[in-house]
Amino acid sequence: DTGVSQNPRHKITKRGQNVTFRCDPISEHNRLYWYRQTLGQGPEFLTYFQNEAQLEKSRLLSDRFSAERPKGSFSTLEIQRTEQGDSAMYLCASSLVVRGPNEKLFFGSGTQLSVL
Amino acid sequence: DAKTTQPTSMDCAEGRAANLPCNHSTISGNEYVYWYRQIHSQGPQYIIHGLKNNETNEMASLIITEDRKSSTLILPHATLRDTAVYYCIVRDVRNTGGFKTIFGAGTRLFVKA
Repeated sequence: DTGVSQNPRHKITKRGQNVTFRCDPISEHNRLYWYRQTLGQGPEFLTYFQNEAQLEKSRLLSDRFSAERPKGSFSTLEIQRTEQGDSAMYLCASSLVVRGPNEKLFFGSGTQLSVL
Repeated sequence: DAKTTQPTSMDCAEGRAANLPCNHSTISGNEYVYWYRQIHSQGPQYIIHGLKNNETNEMASLIITEDRKSSTLILPHATLRDTAVYYCIVRDVRNTGGFKTIFGAGTRLFVKA
């Protein structure tokens, strides 16, 4: 296993178009996260899954954003009717949480979205 | 989760120790200190974490002051590949509901030859 994989690495789209990103977590990891990162800032939490259940969504996640994790494996993040403000790096991370508070996130290299 | 304060940027000579400070003066007794780093064009990478004792692993050492209000990440022999943004994060150990902590802008470490 080579870590968290994200596709595509780059996506250029026109305003108003829909885009979908995919994340393949480390196998056997039960949690999967989506973050957004803009230039010069750290990652901001968007949403996370525990297995196939989406447990929390940030207020940053507008109704145009939807995420799925069918069967608790890979995940997709879809943005509908993209806006220029959606331009950012979208990062996926996974972790294995068994019990206790310690949680280490393993991040993918991200998908860089540019909305023209 | 408590807020952290880090310098915007730091320089370090290759081969020397890089000491990255982090202030978390409002930390509570239930909060761990985590460090991640992000090399250009990559996602963040976990480095180390601790509660109150100093910690060391193959990547770095974490020194937490006795009052736990600040900590220092030490890279003992910095290399050019350690040039990255370093994030200091505090997370409540009672929070098992997902890693939603704010990363902040971090410290940009430049390791120079």
